[in-house]
Amino acid sequence: AQKITQTQPGMFVQEKEAVTLDCTYDTSDQSYGLFWYKQPSSGEMIFLIYQGSYDEQNATEGRYSLNFQKARKSANLVISASQLGDSAMYFCAMREGGGGSYIPTFGRGTSLIVHP
Amino acid sequence: DAGVTQSPTHLIKTRGQQVTLRCSPKSGHDTVSWYQQALGQGPQFIFQYYEEEERQRGNFPDRFSGHQFPNYSSELNVNALLLGDSALYLCASSLVEFGYGYTFGSGTRLTVV
Repeated sequence: AQKITQTQPGMFVQEKEAVTLDCTYDTSDQSYGLFWYKQPSSGEMIFLIYQGSYDEQNATEGRYSLNFQKARKSANLVISASQLGDSAMYFCAMREGGGGSYIPTFGRGTSLIVHP
Repeated sequence: DAGVTQSPTHLIKTRGQQVTLRCSPKSGHDTVSWYQQALGQGPQFIFQYYEEEERQRGNFPDRFSGHQFPNYSSELNVNALLLGDSALYLCASSLVEFGYGYTFGSGTRLTVV
């Protein structure tokens, strides 16, 4: 079974509007971490936001927020006030277990295109 | 402060050949992980190096091997190249005790013909 599922291969949004990118995960661990990365056409994976499984508050980083619904095993990324520079691939990833042996598993990604 | 540096940026090889990709981690990081990203896919974990030893390995054949040097830089070697090895190879560095906080390089685009 897929550990990370991103069901939206492509998303389109108008500049300045908000967009939600979906991510569901599968784990039996109690301690885990969820990440979102942005990959522009240059190839570099850029870290956006992190949510720990024990964090009670949803993570926020500037225009990025993570809608963490533990019971539903979902970790959707919300981008507010989209900008043209947000056009990129977005990957959800999960680290299982605690400690420093940190090997995240990535989903297949969602392509986001922001229209002017 | 330089981030993760990978070289070369692009490479074309013939089936059956061998290739070496290089990675210099972000200053202060001691752990290097390698990922393979095929077109249209998410990155797949190859292996991770810490203290010059392979700590964990993903589901990749022995044709994929690596090395970490005392200065924490790392190499990924692939022998007997197959067409299916064509991909973007990403290097990520981190601090072993930090738990999260990968910094990725821009990758090496390998094309096998």
